[in-house]
Amino acid sequence: QKEVEQNSGPLSVPEGAIASLNCTYSDRGSQSFFWYRQYSGKSPELIMFIYSNGDKEDGRFTAQLNKASQYVSLLIRDSQPSDSATYLCAVRATNKLIFGTGTLLAVQP
Amino acid sequence: EAQVTQNPRYLITVTGKKLTVTCSQNMNHEYMSWYRQDPGLGLRQIYYSMNVEVTDKGDVPEGYKVSRKEKRNFPLILESPSPNQTSLYFCASTERTGTSYEQYFGPGTRLTVT
Repeated sequence: QKEVEQNSGPLSVPEGAIASLNCTYSDRGSQSFFWYRQYSGKSPELIMFIYSNGDKEDGRFTAQLNKASQYVSLLIRDSQPSDSATYLCAVRATNKLIFGTGTLLAVQP
Repeated sequence: EAQVTQNPRYLITVTGKKLTVTCSQNMNHEYMSWYRQDPGLGLRQIYYSMNVEVTDKGDVPEGYKVSRKEKRNFPLILESPSPNQTSLYFCASTERTGTSYEQYFGPGTRLTVT
């Protein structure tokens, strides 16, 4: 079992819809959880950080964490074509950061 | 402007020829790290540094060395590169302050070892 798992996609959503990206992790001792956006040929960009159970909202992005289920998700409201990218989930345990392989999101105009 | 710089951006080299990829940040962050990104494997952490003179192994440290003599610089050294080290490398700089988290990645270094 991979430490951090994501569906590779592609996840295709129409413009204006809600995109829902999911991530599961195996280490129950994980402390912090991250979502990154990576455009093709570019470096990752941190978009959300969450460390306590529940929801965290930042603009059109909402991160949801459920430690009991070892599950973290990212919702993107009012999806735009410019949101088309690979979204990476990462989990921090002790001082190491473990990444999933990413989900490719395609927002259709 | 917050910035992480890496050099070189592209490098083609031959097996066994020592090389160094430099990384520098201008944000006075304590935590820096190196990753490699490979298709199907995602980003994997090579080494990280909590502060000057404090470094530790990530998940894939074999064949790599690092040093942290100054806070702003964190070079990645390949003493004897091999073809399986052909990859896209990213340096990152991180700071956590209370409930916020700041992290920046460099632009990447594409390394080919023949």
